[in-house]
Formats: sequence, structure tokens, C-alpha cells
Amino acid sequence: ETGVTQTPRHLVMGMTNKKSLKCEQHLGHNAMYWYKQSAKKPLELMFVYSLEERVENNSVPSRFSPECPNSSHLFLHLHTLQPEDSALYLCASSQGQELYGYTFGSGTRLTVV
Amino acid sequence: SQQGEEDPQALSIQEGENATMNCSYKTSINNLQWYRQNSGRGLVHLILIRSNEREKHSGRLRVTLDTSKKSSSLLITASRAADTASYFCATDAIGSNYKLTFGKGTLLTVNP
Repeated sequence: ETGVTQTPRHLVMGMTNKKSLKCEQHLGHNAMYWYKQSAKKPLELMFVYSLEERVENNSVPSRFSPECPNSSHLFLHLHTLQPEDSALYLCASSQGQELYGYTFGSGTRLTVV
Repeated sequence: SQQGEEDPQALSIQEGENATMNCSYKTSINNLQWYRQNSGRGLVHLILIRSNEREKHSGRLRVTLDTSKKSSSLLITASRAADTASYFCATDAIGSNYKLTFGKGTLLTVNP
């Protein structure tokens, strides 16, 4: 365990479903991130939260909706997804990343059918 | 746009050999980091090198940074089958504030 926990590990959903991904860290970090990892593509930064405020939204479609209720929890709400949204979704946290880098969770493997 | 780009895309070696992976990037950076990912898992931070550093060691890992060429290399010495994984470089670009940009990675296979 890295200290960043993601649930669920695997998720299969239909295009009309609504689901949420959860990320939890108890490392005392002050920034949290959502990344999307698709085959043969670089990791894509989706959202950044610093001190519970969203500081980055990289032109992500509105069918992805993040929520950061406190510094330890981060959610990604999903609705009406497309098959091309199937990917590994990674959560990470950091505390002044210059020293120790990011700590990643194990990811949620999402399949949209 | 993609900042770091690793080379080669895939590398296959025998146990005991050294593995070298390269990373090129485009903009000025605060630091460059290397991460490892086992299949289907999250990334694990390996080592960070600051823009004013040229070389850094951690166990069997050696990282170099050449800011004039905007490139870095990761050397794994005396490789083991357990080193089989994907390796990514990530750059903290000046002015990026909080975010890292990752490359596509190098898939390293170490054959026993």
C-alpha cells in the first residue's frame, strides 16, 4: 500500500450509468490529482486540487465531474461515458512534489460498454 | 502537449545486464523525476533530480540530467527479473505549479 487508496479497483459500466471513483490519502498531502492512462498514450492530467480548491481542469469533458470534500478525499463522478473513456484512472497526491514526487494509488480500471 | 518522451519505447535485456533509458523534454524545468509502473498498477516514484544537478544515485539507479540538451537518462545496473516494468520520466516545468507532465514510458523486460 502506498498510502493512496483507490476504489473500486475495477469497474464496468454502461454508457447510461452513473458511477463514482474514490480516492483517499492519509499522508497529510495538500494536493491531489486525477490522471487518465490509456494504452500507448502518455498519462493525461485531468484535474488538480490544491488545498481543496480546483486549480486545473485540462479541458476534460463535462461527463467527468471531480469533487474534493476535504484534503484527504477526492472523487471522480462519471455519467454518460463513451467507450473511448475506458482506461486506467489514477489518483495521486503530493506535498511539495519537489522533494518526494507524487504518491499514486493503484488505479481504477474502467471499462465502458 | 507532451513534455517528456522516453526512448526506447521497449527494451529487452538479460538478468545482470545494465538497462539505460533516455528522456527528452521541451521546456525549462524545475526538476525531472523517474517513475516505475508494474502492469496495471499505479506509478511508484523512483528518483528526482533538480535542474541544478547533473547526476544522482539511488541504490542500483543512476540518473543524469543535461539541461543544455534537455535530456535525462536512467541507468539500472545489474538488472533483475523483478525490474521488469514500465519506466516514465516526468517533468516539473517552470511555471507549471503543482503538476507533472509524463511521457509514454519505456517498457523494460528483464529475462531470467
